[in-house]
Amino acid sequence: SQTIHQWPATLVQPVGSPLSLECTVEGTSNPNLYWYRQAAGRGLQLLFYSVGIGQISSEVPQNLSASRPQDRQFILSSKKLLLSDSGFYLCAWKPGRGLAANYGYTFGSGTRLTVV
Amino acid sequence: SQKIEQNSEALNIQEGKTATLTCNYTNYSPAYLQWYRQDPGRGPVFLLLIRENEKEKRKERLKVTFDTTLKQSLFHITASQPADSATYLCALEGYNFNKFYFGSGTKLNVKP
Repeated sequence: SQTIHQWPATLVQPVGSPLSLECTVEGTSNPNLYWYRQAAGRGLQLLFYSVGIGQISSEVPQNLSASRPQDRQFILSSKKLLLSDSGFYLCAWKPGRGLAANYGYTFGSGTRLTVV
Repeated sequence: SQKIEQNSEALNIQEGKTATLTCNYTNYSPAYLQWYRQDPGRGPVFLLLIRENEKEKRKERLKVTFDTTLKQSLFHITASQPADSATYLCALEGYNFNKFYFGSGTKLNVKP
């Protein structure tokens, strides 16, 4: 069966420090991968998505970047964190390569990031 | 840009009643609409998917309707239980099947 791993679960970082959040998926190939952010009491904001290795689409201009160095690995990064980067970050996957229809997302357990 | 609206006020109902949640959207023609459940501090969990050419979909105590003319989806939980208490999110997916846009969710409280 497929599983998605996201870490760390919580993170407290000072303003101006770098960030690296990692997400990996097991049990599937060629998944579509996604990073979402959820501010307190708000909906999910799509940050980045990827349909293949090295293919990254950005939804909003921001202080963050994403990379997909391997088929089942998705990394969210920042060179210098801002206070406004605080939030709940969620990685998700769904089948790709023509199989994307009819499937919902499977989300990871999330990373609670607090920038102080 | 697309706009997805869900009632931001919590819905409080009595155990055993039917809960009905609403999702309205504008400036978008989705191929699919999905509903998710989210518990505090957790990632959303996929519940149901309905296609644009489907009017209704059922799964156990859950029922989803999709009216593309009204640009609205209704999500029903029949015989609600306290364990159904959570935030419910709707999400729209376009024809490229590559990404979803989520509403902000409605919190459901089922009182025993």
